Amino acid sequence: EVQLVESGGGLVQPGRSMKLSCAASGFTFSNYGMAWVRQAPTKGLEWVATISYDGSSTYYRDSVKGRFTISRDNAKSTLYLQMNSLRSEDTATYYCTREGGYWGQGVMVTVSS
Amino acid sequence: DVVLTQTPVSLSVTLGDQASISCRSSQSLEYSDGYTYLEWYLQKPGQSPQLLIYEVSNRFSGVPDRFIGSGSGTDFTLKISRVEPEDLGVYYCFQATHDPHTFGAGTKLELK
Repeated sequence: EVQLVESGGGLVQPGRSMKLSCAASGFTFSNYGMAWVRQAPTKGLEWVATISYDGSSTYYRDSVKGRFTISRDNAKSTLYLQMNSLRSEDTATYYCTREGGYWGQGVMVTVSS
Repeated sequence: DVVLTQTPVSLSVTLGDQASISCRSSQSLEYSDGYTYLEWYLQKPGQSPQLLIYEVSNRFSGVPDRFIGSGSGTDFTLKISRVEPEDLGVYYCFQATHDPHTFGAGTKLELK
């Protein structure tokens, strides 16, 4: 069974950093592209970033380029999202997703002073 | 960026009715490999989104055959025949053909 378990969320002050992790199991992690999708409270879904199966290619939405970095450790079957210079508008539930439509349960990130 | 326009914003139905949701793209979603990477998701209250349809018309594993996806190019439709209580929630279309990937704004399916 495919499982994606996010961790690392919480409350952080504007301008600070936070790193999210997503532990994957139930499939061969190194065979699949992965992505982060977020959802601000009461809002719709917003794609954040994608990484290829081997980490060689990454893509970001404009509003996070230069601030967020998606990465992966295939040996640990783990996906990461390093978030720097956080803003209040980054407040959202962040979902780890796998190619083929699998999603984690999400982790909440709140950016507030 | 590709804009996906979903209509209607909300849809009130009676159980057993058919429901139809439209997703119109600002650009063709056919990729150079010939595939069209248009997906449909349902998000039930308090849950993660769940994939219903991929590549326009393919039902994901376990999705009932009352969910039917169709369309091509820039115009796509999700039809739900015989709406059941577990179908209520917010439906999103999503495109992975162009970067950045984008979602529609969502259509809320609720009971009349």
